[in-house]
Amino acid sequence: GQQVMQIPQYQHVQEGEDFTTYCNSSTTLSNIQWYKQRPGGHPVFLIQLVKSGEVKKQKRLTFQFGEAKKNSSLHITATQTTDVGTYFCAYAGNNRKLIWGLGTSLAVNP
Amino acid sequence: EAQVTQNPRYLITVTGKKLTVTCSQNMNHEYMSWYRQDPGLGLRQIYYSMNVEVTDKGDVPEGYKVSRKEKRNFPLILESPSPNQTSLYFCASSLRATFNQPQHFGDGTRLSIL
Repeated sequence: GQQVMQIPQYQHVQEGEDFTTYCNSSTTLSNIQWYKQRPGGHPVFLIQLVKSGEVKKQKRLTFQFGEAKKNSSLHITATQTTDVGTYFCAYAGNNRKLIWGLGTSLAVNP
Repeated sequence: EAQVTQNPRYLITVTGKKLTVTCSQNMNHEYMSWYRQDPGLGLRQIYYSMNVEVTDKGDVPEGYKVSRKEKRNFPLILESPSPNQTSLYFCASSLRATFNQPQHFGDGTRLSIL
């Protein structure tokens, strides 16, 4: 079935280091969404990418959609302890369902 | 305040005792959905609803029922709960059922079935 691979599963960084999570699909995606879930919280929508090669920034977060629309990345510059959480990607499958990656859990050492 | 409200937030119950988790949204959203979240398995969709009186199975519907009689409410029913339904449950909604809409999540319901 449709699926998306999200890597890495876990990442542990020192505060101030950069962090990147990747979302890879074997099929072309119509769009991709990114969510953040803080420990004990619920997923919160961050952004949606639709166009091939699209790059969007939110302060220290940079989101990219690949030229072939088969992969996406979320890059955080100079992580802070407030960045701790699990980052999920999700895309619209062809069966009218959102397909979710398993998430990347980010831990930040102060 | 625009929000998705789930109740209860926590529930410990016993096998076989019917329970309902309520979900209500005040944003006039068409699309609503239930997920369960288990360690290592991510978010798995249980049921979704494209609009009033329109529901469909997600990836893990066994043991669950839903209804959508009003636009704002989408209750999740466990007729005969079993221990393998112990999980963290999220209700989510979006404005349209076109899948290019952000999903708005409730705070979650942690269910323990003994």
